[in-house]
Order: sequence, then C-alpha cells, then structure tokens
Amino acid sequence: GNSVTQMEGPVTLSEEAFLTINCTYTATGYPSLFWYVQYPGEGLQLLLKATKADDKGSNKGFEATYRKETTSFHLEKGSVQVSDSAVYFCALSEQGNNRLAFGKGNQVVVIP
Amino acid sequence: ETGVTQSPTHLIKTRGQQVTLRCSSQSGHNTVSWYQQALGQGPQFIFQYYREEENGRGNFPPRFSGLQFPNYSSELNVNALELDDSALYLCASSLEAGVSYNEQFFGPGTRLTVL
Repeated sequence: GNSVTQMEGPVTLSEEAFLTINCTYTATGYPSLFWYVQYPGEGLQLLLKATKADDKGSNKGFEATYRKETTSFHLEKGSVQVSDSAVYFCALSEQGNNRLAFGKGNQVVVIP
Repeated sequence: ETGVTQSPTHLIKTRGQQVTLRCSSQSGHNTVSWYQQALGQGPQFIFQYYREEENGRGNFPPRFSGLQFPNYSSELNVNALELDDSALYLCASSLEAGVSYNEQFFGPGTRLTVL
C-alpha cells in the first residue's frame, strides 16, 4: 500500500539557518505529493504540492521537488524564521482519489 | 466563505460508550474525509464520503462509521469506545474526490479522550 516516511526526530535550528526535512514515499503509479503544516494552536494547512515528476512546489520560501527516481519529496527553506516553528507533514494521494496518507511529521523549532 | 468547522472541540468519554462527532464542510465542497491523529503521529485516514456515499475506507474496524448529509456535512460515529481511540479527529473537505491533487481543507479537530 501507499506509505510516507519522514526523517526521525524533531529539528531544532537557529534563525536564518537552512532547513531540510526528508520525505520518501511508496506508491503505485503517479501520486500527488504534499507538505502540510500545523502551527501551534492551529489546524492543518497545505503548504505546497506537486502533481507530477520533476514538478517543484513552492510557498512562503519553502520548496520541494517531486523526484520519481528516488521517490522523494524533501522540503527545504533557505533561511528560517521563528515564525516557521511548527509541525510539518509530508503526504501523498494516489491517482484517482484524494485520500491522504501522511508521514509521522517533524517538529521544527527555530531559536532566535 | 466559511471554512471547515467541527464540533465539539473537546470530548471526554468512558470505555464502552458511543460518540458522534460533527463536521461542516466548506461551501461548495462535496467530499468529506475523516482522519485520526494520535499524539505525536501523523493523521490516519478513516474514511471518505462523496455525495453522501462512502468512497473509501482506511484500516479501521466497523465500529467506526459515518454519514454524509445532503448539505455535505458529515458525522463520524464510534461505538464501543476503547482507550486507544483517544486522539484528535480531523475532518477535511474538498472538491471532487476523484482528483488526486485537489486540496483538502482541514477543520480544527475534535479532541476525544477515552477514560
């Protein structure tokens, strides 16, 4: 079945540092890939998405590229801010439906 | 445009009881999906409703059941509650269920505690 794997553990970094969160997936066909973010006290919201191989999703300075050859969709941001502190979830939906399979999430803490 | 709303916000039940959670979808959306998010975990897909019919189910037992109404709002019912059912229950609405890249819009969730 479909599954998403995110790197283990929380991520703590200083303001203006470079952020990478790894995400790999297992799916048949050509899934759509997503990053969702959960800010403290708020609901899940879509950060970015990519719907086919080599697509790059981007939003709020975050980027992720759909890599079919490595089945990956790593999230990156060049210079994080304290306001980026949140939990980030990688997710996919398989072709033909929009039911989401999520990874376990990564807590990101940005220190001033 | 009203977003996705869920009620109640918090709920405490005891083992063996039954619970009903409610979700109002975003205006214009005909698809509602339910997810269970245990503490420190990612959301797990429970089931989806599209135009009042169940349209896919995750790995959850039959005591998890649901409904979608003509106005596309939805209910999640859980019978014979177990301690492991304690979690945040998320509802998400979207346009047409058959399009994989259609964004899902999440509600704030219902926090269920089973004692």
